[in-house]
Amino acid sequence: EDQVTQSPEALRLQEGESSSLNCSYTVSGLRGLFWYRQDPGKGPEFLFTLYSAGEEKEKERLKATLTKKESFLHITAPKPEDSATYLCAVQGGGGDDKIIFGKGTRLHILP
Amino acid sequence: KAGVTQTPRYLIKTRGQQVTLSCSPISGHRSVSWYQQTPGQGLQFLFEYFSETQRNKGNFPGRFSGRQFSNSRSEMNVSTLELGDSALYLCASSTTVNTGELFFGEGSRLTVL
Repeated sequence: EDQVTQSPEALRLQEGESSSLNCSYTVSGLRGLFWYRQDPGKGPEFLFTLYSAGEEKEKERLKATLTKKESFLHITAPKPEDSATYLCAVQGGGGDDKIIFGKGTRLHILP
Repeated sequence: KAGVTQTPRYLIKTRGQQVTLSCSPISGHRSVSWYQQTPGQGLQFLFEYFSETQRNKGNFPGRFSGRQFSNSRSEMNVSTLELGDSALYLCASSTTVNTGELFFGEGSRLTVL
């Protein structure tokens, strides 16, 4: 069964303090790994798609990387506006093509 | 370009009632997916529609149903509501089926008393 586990559940950082969020996955034939950002009271906002091990994507202070077992979302010199819940999702090639979401990491950046 | 629009944004129902939620996708998007989000379970897939046909279905009981119209707008219905159905129901649209690059609405928050 496809599974996605995100860690830590919550993370508090000082403004400017870089860190990484982890997304571990178990899937039959990865078709894609997706990162989303969700602000309170809003729907998730799509950030990145990664398809194969070694791939990296960047957007402003965020960089996503992918290995065969996990993905990292690196946040460099974060600002308070980066505070949000970050969700990871995977799509396997097992046949049903469902998108499986992790439970997310709640990130809080202190000014 | 308008985003995904969900109505109503908030609603309160009692056990045993039924509810219908509506979703208007981004113009040009023909695929609509529905998700249930709760603090304990996170985002769970309900179903996906493309060209008025259900293409995929999650592991939810038959009380949860949906449909898509010819203009790509979608509705989902939950019958015989239970307390555990209280959740944020999110609709997402995409240009193609079976993609993880989804554009979500702000959701309909359902409270069942």
